[in-house]
Amino acid sequence: RKEVEQDPGPFNVPEGATVAFNCTYSNSASQSFFWYRQDCRKEPKLLMSVYSSGNEDGRFTAQLNRASQYISLLIRDSKLSDSATYLCVVKGGYQKVTFGIGTKLQVIP
Amino acid sequence: NAGVMQNPRHLVRRRGQEARLRCSPMKGHSHVYWYRQLPEEGLKFMVYLQKENIIDESGMPKERFSAEFPKEGPSILRIQQVVRGDSAAYFCASSPAGTGGLGGSYEQYFGPGTRLTVT
Repeated sequence: RKEVEQDPGPFNVPEGATVAFNCTYSNSASQSFFWYRQDCRKEPKLLMSVYSSGNEDGRFTAQLNRASQYISLLIRDSKLSDSATYLCVVKGGYQKVTFGIGTKLQVIP
Repeated sequence: NAGVMQNPRHLVRRRGQEARLRCSPMKGHSHVYWYRQLPEEGLKFMVYLQKENIIDESGMPKERFSAEFPKEGPSILRIQQVVRGDSAAYFCASSPAGTGGLGGSYEQYFGPGTRLTVT
């Protein structure tokens, strides 16, 4: 089993739709969780950290389920500019950081 | 506050040559990470360094690859005797001091990457 697993997609959704991505991780001792966004041929950029209590930033909501070992990202009212690849990032024990392969989102007019 | 800088942005090397990729972390950041991304694939961790120390090189190929982060100057990723399979985007990221890397809740900030093409 991979340390961090994501559905690579692509997810094709119409503008205004709500879309959710999940990411599962295998190491129960993982400590920190993040969502990054990567546009084509660009560097990854931090979208948001994921806190145990869940957190929201505008149209984006991130949640963590430690019992089931997954994190999720919900995007409401999708915009064309949301089209990108969304990377799940998990920090485990001693400094070890693992990126998921990313989920590709394409928002269609 | 300048972001993470990488140079060159594009590098072309012939098989057998050496490639040197440079990364200057954000001001105040003392942790540097190198990642490789092959076309249509995810980011693969290579190495994590602090000033003058390699903390974790578990993702580095055993041969031909080396990294350093000297007391003064940028971090360098060096690839000797490059082969076609080394063609990829190489990203550097930095984070502030703390419990380390993506340690505590410190996130990583990425540079624009160096695209290496081996002909």
